[in-house]
Amino acid sequence: GAGVSQSPRYKVAKRGQDVALRCDPISGHVSLFWYQQALGQGPEFLTYFQNEAQLDKSGLPSDRFFAERPEGSVSTLKIQRTQQEDSAVYLCASSPRREVPFEQFFGPGTRLTVL
Amino acid sequence: EDQVTQSPEALRLQEGESSSLNCSYTVSGLRGLFWYRQDPGKGPEFLFTLYSAGEEKEKERLKATLTKKESFLHITAPKPEDSATYLCAVRGNTGFQKLVFGTGTRLLVSP
Repeated sequence: GAGVSQSPRYKVAKRGQDVALRCDPISGHVSLFWYQQALGQGPEFLTYFQNEAQLDKSGLPSDRFFAERPEGSVSTLKIQRTQQEDSAVYLCASSPRREVPFEQFFGPGTRLTVL
Repeated sequence: EDQVTQSPEALRLQEGESSSLNCSYTVSGLRGLFWYRQDPGKGPEFLFTLYSAGEEKEKERLKATLTKKESFLHITAPKPEDSATYLCAVRGNTGFQKLVFGTGTRLLVSP
């Protein structure tokens, strides 16, 4: 079956540009997560959705980062006025349940490079 | 604050040479410890979930074990295709379902 898909796979932005990264979770998965992975590091949590509700955005590094999931399926992570320190791989993950800590299934990521 | 420390950072093995990767953790109320495999340019691939001390899970050449302070990923008779970065993550009882990851162990298995 289809897994989590993300687009674009690669994005190059000039400093100050806005970018939008898309995530298509596994069909029917209730929970959706965004993580940021710097080179040589483990993923770091950004934000969490349960259906369309954003229940945890404690990991978003600044108010330039914004995420939405308006219909409870596809999600978009938007970064405004990109900075060089935003360069990283942005991973999306989905999970079928809400309460029980079931495994999260990850997409291939979007590699963002800010020049 | 939940923390995960993985060791070693990198490990080079000969094909068939068994070894173990370590994941030490501190967490407020463990609700799950997860092992993932990550190949270059790809997202993490789920391997195991462990929930309580003493629990063990196996998959092919991999076996994961859990104590109250750490988890081990044992690799028996590894093959070159086992080469990857292995990530450990925990979910505590705060922050909804977010996972806290370690920095990973880069494993290289030479033929």
